Amino acid sequence: NAGVTQTPKFRVLKTGQSMTLLCAQDMNHEYMYWYRQDPGMGLRLIHYSVGEGTTAKGEVPDGYNVSRLKKQNFLLGLESAAPSQTSVYFCASSYSGHSYEQYFGPGTRLTVT
Amino acid sequence: KNQVEQSPQSLIILEGKNCTLQCNYTVSPFSNLRWYKQDTGRGPVSLTIMTFSENTKSNGRYTATLDADTKQSSLHITASQLSDSASYICVVSAGNQFYFGTGTSLTVIP
Repeated sequence: NAGVTQTPKFRVLKTGQSMTLLCAQDMNHEYMYWYRQDPGMGLRLIHYSVGEGTTAKGEVPDGYNVSRLKKQNFLLGLESAAPSQTSVYFCASSYSGHSYEQYFGPGTRLTVT
Repeated sequence: KNQVEQSPQSLIILEGKNCTLQCNYTVSPFSNLRWYKQDTGRGPVSLTIMTFSENTKSNGRYTATLDADTKQSSLHITASQLSDSASYICVVSAGNQFYFGTGTSLTVIP
């Protein structure tokens, strides 16, 4: 039981490049989330999904897109990376509604130059 | 404005001592309050989740309290260990919105 895994762990992009971050969970959770964490700021919700085939915007969705084609996977895409997107990205999942415990992945450190 | 404020920002204590971390919030309507522990370079791990009607919740040496009237919560760590060195994050949810504090960085020294 791996829990929540994220790929890749580190990545450096140049401005304008695109990439996709993959999150996978093996706990059969319905809800999945993408957050970013920046120094001196709390975690901020980018997008979330309440089930396979659904996505919704969080607090800071601009510049990101997501897809939940399979229940166990939640993808975060950056179409044209900007230096402001340099951050640590965390994926999380929970069994059902927002009141359930969230399980976080180990994070992806992204640097955009 | 919905906000979560944590204090102190950082704390250094001797191994074996107790400490208390504070979380004040202005989030409304309140759904639940969570405390997370985040080790350096890792994702947050849940310690406790409390709803409106819960005043105290324990998880081993960690005890969280909630005063919904004053909108304050505290996390008490008993008999601290070196492994308690981490950032402790308070999160308040309102419906499908989450409001994260910036965390308290705790360092336990031998």
